[in-house]
Amino acid sequence: EAGVVQSPRYKIIEKKQPVAFWCNPISGHNTLYWYRQNLGQGPELLIRYENEEAVDDSQLPKDRFSAERLKGVDSTLKIQPAELGDSAVYLCASSSREDTQYFGPGTRLTVL
Amino acid sequence: RKEVEQDPGPFNVPEGATVAFNCTYSNSASQSFFWYRQDCRKEPKLLMSVYSSGNEDGRFTAQLNRASQYISLLIRDSKLSDSATYLCVVNRANQGGKLIFGQGTELSVKP
Repeated sequence: EAGVVQSPRYKIIEKKQPVAFWCNPISGHNTLYWYRQNLGQGPELLIRYENEEAVDDSQLPKDRFSAERLKGVDSTLKIQPAELGDSAVYLCASSSREDTQYFGPGTRLTVL
Repeated sequence: RKEVEQDPGPFNVPEGATVAFNCTYSNSASQSFFWYRQDCRKEPKLLMSVYSSGNEDGRFTAQLNRASQYISLLIRDSKLSDSATYLCVVNRANQGGKLIFGQGTELSVKP
């Protein structure tokens, strides 16, 4: 069974540029999560989707971050404009209801 | 204060050693508890869930003390392949699977 797929794996951009990350969850998983992991820290939740509905976006910096999950499958996380402090690994995870969360390999973002 | 706090690392141990990781959590409403493992530049993967009665999986033993809000992970007979970062994770009650991660403790097992 295929795991959570993310792309790109690496992205280097200059500050103030936009960037987008894509996630394809495990087939059949209704719940999708976006996390951000800073160096030396554990992942922190940005947003959680149940199907196509964002049910917890309290930690998403809404001035520059946006996310969507059209049709309740794939999801895109966007940052516009990016700041130096956004450099981190962005992890997507999926689960079936509140079962085990499975993480994708992440997108490593470097903002110069 | 962070909601989940772990022993600062790194832990450097020889092969065959026994090593213990400690973790405390501040939210008494936390419902479920886990240890995740994260290899360098890889994603976190579930190592084991932690139950009040304590649970064991081969060389790994996890324990939970709800009264003290304390979680532990014991690794016996360490292998080189155990080298990784171990993340203590709690799931808040009634928040639909929201995981709160500790900062992780790095383990390096040397020959």
